[in-house]
Amino acid sequence: NAGVTQTPKFQVLKTGQSMTLQCAQDMNHNSMYWYRQDPGMGLRLIYYSASEGTTDKGEVPNGYNVSRLNKREFSLRLESAAPSQTSVYFCASTPGSSYNSPLHFGNGTRLTVT
Amino acid sequence: KQEVTQIPAALSVPEGENLVLNCSFTDSAIYNLQWFRQDPGKGLTSLLLIQSSQREQTSGRLNASLDKSSGRSTLYIAASQPGDSATYLCAPRIGGYQKVTFGTGTKLQVIP
Repeated sequence: NAGVTQTPKFQVLKTGQSMTLQCAQDMNHNSMYWYRQDPGMGLRLIYYSASEGTTDKGEVPNGYNVSRLNKREFSLRLESAAPSQTSVYFCASTPGSSYNSPLHFGNGTRLTVT
Repeated sequence: KQEVTQIPAALSVPEGENLVLNCSFTDSAIYNLQWFRQDPGKGLTSLLLIQSSQREQTSGRLNASLDKSSGRSTLYIAASQPGDSATYLCAPRIGGYQKVTFGTGTKLQVIP
């Protein structure tokens, strides 16, 4: 009963390095989301995928790319990391917008860019 | 743009007290509103989801109310316990889930 699984849990990057954050859900959900959480700012949506094969920008997409690999997996890529991308990143999923059901979150990836 | 405010930002209470956490939002045309709990270093866990047509939702010692017209929701915790210590966030939704806006939360500490 894993729910939403994120890897890695922690990561330290140097400015300019790249990395991919992985997210997988085992609930057969259609929609998946990437958020970042910064102190005093609440969670902000980076990108989302309403269904397999589609992706759209959220509130703060600059500097990120995403791939919906299949129905289970949704990855977030930082091509050239910057200190401003130091944050905690959360992946979430739902059955879809037509359902009145809660968002399910992973435990997050804590990223530091030096 | 939806703005969500949670007051107070932090709260410390003795064990056993009943308490109320507040959430206000500026756009009342919401589809539903969720309350989440976040433990340090962890993700968000959904506590309650209130649909726009509902006034209240209950789960165990938790009761959430919704007043759409005034743009307010409250989370009532009865007989608080040290295990309730966490940050509580509210998140109203307008339209699709990409339109969920999160508050910055109330950090609750329950003292034994």
